[in-house]
Amino acid sequence: QVQLQESGPGLVKPSQTLSLTCTVSGGSINSGGYYWNWIRQHPGKGLEWIGYFYNTGSTYYNPSLRSRVTISVDTSKNQFSLKLTSITAADTAVYYCARARTITDAFDIWGQGTIVTVS
Amino acid sequence: DIVLTQSPESLAVSLGERATINCKSSQSVLYGSYNKHFLAWYQQKPGQAPKLLIYWASTRESGVPDRFSGSGSGTNFTLTISNLQAEDVAVYYCQQYYHTPMYTFGQGTKLEIK
Repeated sequence: QVQLQESGPGLVKPSQTLSLTCTVSGGSINSGGYYWNWIRQHPGKGLEWIGYFYNTGSTYYNPSLRSRVTISVDTSKNQFSLKLTSITAADTAVYYCARARTITDAFDIWGQGTIVTVS
Repeated sequence: DIVLTQSPESLAVSLGERATINCKSSQSVLYGSYNKHFLAWYQQKPGQAPKLLIYWASTRESGVPDRFSGSGSGTNFTLTISNLQAEDVAVYYCQQYYHTPMYTFGQGTKLEIK
């Protein structure tokens, strides 16, 4: 059973770069042709898709965040990561990693989420 | 981007009764080649991550109780929870994966027990 677990700092200062990692267990990040995503949820609000990494090396980001986002993978550690630069209070949110079975599919597995506060 | 509008924003239903949540899309999410609607429903309980309930608008994810059902076509979709249980208290979201990769979610519907 594949599981995802986010990790990273809970508190980040404005203007800094946020770095989060999602560790995949129970399966290889390289297998199955899955799409590995980051999604966030502002306090008391809905869900915002940030971007994905696909195991061919391709990435795609939400245009609203594209200038500040990088998603990468470390296959040796079975992890994928999110970097968000020039953060502000508006980036305070719960950040989730999630898997999609294909590019045209729902998110079937989610991490538990990690709270990030910008202050 | 495809905008998903859910209604109502919140609802309270008695135990054992039926809850109905609607999701309206700003454009069709029917993928003609597949003859499937690229729409999913999620359940998010307090302090937890969203959980996939329904995909292709009406296909139940493995392990999801059959009291959860999805229906609809074109731009109008419904999540129905029959025989409401206390553990069904949550916020429910619809999501489209038609206009990939710009995935979007509805604003959520909060379900409570009356």
